[in-house]
Amino acid sequence: QKEVEQNSGPLSVPEGAIASLNCTYSDRVSQSFFWYRQYSGKSPELIMSIYSNGDKEDGRFTAQLNKASQYVSLLIRDSQPSDSATYLCAVIPPSGTASKLTFGTGTRLQVTL
Amino acid sequence: SAVISQKPSRDICQRGTSLTIQCQVDSQVTMMFWYRQQPGQSLTLIATANQGSEATYESGFVIDKFPISRPNLTFSTLTVSNMSPEDSSIYLCSVEGRPGADTQYFGPGTRLTVL
Repeated sequence: QKEVEQNSGPLSVPEGAIASLNCTYSDRVSQSFFWYRQYSGKSPELIMSIYSNGDKEDGRFTAQLNKASQYVSLLIRDSQPSDSATYLCAVIPPSGTASKLTFGTGTRLQVTL
Repeated sequence: SAVISQKPSRDICQRGTSLTIQCQVDSQVTMMFWYRQQPGQSLTLIATANQGSEATYESGFVIDKFPISRPNLTFSTLTVSNMSPEDSSIYLCSVEGRPGADTQYFGPGTRLTVL
């Protein structure tokens, strides 16, 4: 079982809709969760971090964490064509070096006009 | 967040040669990391670069293949040694957001092609 799993997509949503990106992780004791956005040919850009169960909102982005279900999601409201990118979920497992990020394979999002 | 630069931004190399990638940060950081992103895949941590001590390598990565230097708190290098086409990847350095924080910010990456 992979440590961090994401559907590779592509996830296609129309402009203005809500995009929902999902991620599951295998280590139940993980404490830190991150969403990165990566445009083609560019490096990953941190969008959100979340540490506690529930929702965390930042502008059009909402991260949701459910530790009991080992599930973290990212909602993008009012999706724009500029949101078209690959979204990477990353987790810091509890063991090993601090800040050692483990990435999922990413979900490619396409926002259509 | 810190401003991170990498050199070179891209290179094409012959098999059997070595390439050294530089990562420069505009502020002092304790933790620096090196990742590899192979074509169409996600990021894999190669090693954590520690100032004043040897780098800590992840499973599957060894110092002879990927020697790392960390001479001070703003600079690190990663060398890809005795390259083969399988080493064709994007190599990224990252730094912690602030001391003790677990957020990481990435440099622009180095796109390496080995022929």
